[in-house]
Amino acid sequence: GEDVEQSLFLSVREGDSSVINCTYTDSSSTYLYWYKQEPGAGLQLLTYIFSNMDMKQDQRLTVLLNKKDKHLSLRIADTQTGDSAIYFCAESKGDYKLSFGAGTTVTVRA
Amino acid sequence: NAGVTQTPKFQVLKTGQSMTLQCAQDMNHNSMYWYRQDPGMGLRLIYYSASEGTTDKGEVPNGYNVSRLNKREFSLRLESAAPSQTSVYFCASSETSGGVGTQYFGPGTRLTVL
Repeated sequence: GEDVEQSLFLSVREGDSSVINCTYTDSSSTYLYWYKQEPGAGLQLLTYIFSNMDMKQDQRLTVLLNKKDKHLSLRIADTQTGDSAIYFCAESKGDYKLSFGAGTTVTVRA
Repeated sequence: NAGVTQTPKFQVLKTGQSMTLQCAQDMNHNSMYWYRQDPGMGLRLIYYSASEGTTDKGEVPNGYNVSRLNKREFSLRLESAAPSQTSVYFCASSETSGGVGTQYFGPGTRLTVL
């Protein structure tokens, strides 16, 4: 079973914004992460947020954290075809172990 | 730096065969991890090694063994492969003293058990 939940699919038009949502369960998590997996490849860290922050912006990426609701979101502005991938939300579990969601497959259509 | 490397990239086994998946990292990280990835289930932790000389079970350890050969290398062994072990296997490493705890992943091994 998953401690971290995400919707499985998102389809977005090129140039629009994508919003990927995630809920987690461990209120003691110190860091929350977004990883990206392109076809046939391993996971790459996109961004992370410390649990005492509400928002973090990094170029086209905006992470919002609602700690009260244990809700994390990733917004990708001006979505491009190269953004088509699987996006994983993860929470830290102590001992630097991570608990991953099932992943959201983002498809960018022209 | 190569980061995290894994061998082989692909493998097909018959039920009951054994094999070892190799992983190495050149980032001087203390911790290393083995995950399996199955469709719709995300990544599940099989075993991890918090530091050289220690290993611990993760969420799905049954049917697997690991060896932390040295600080760089962490191998995963399937003693008697079963079709349920058909999956993509990822190795990862991270630093454990302070910092963000980012895990760095290898490219994966795609294993099919017939």
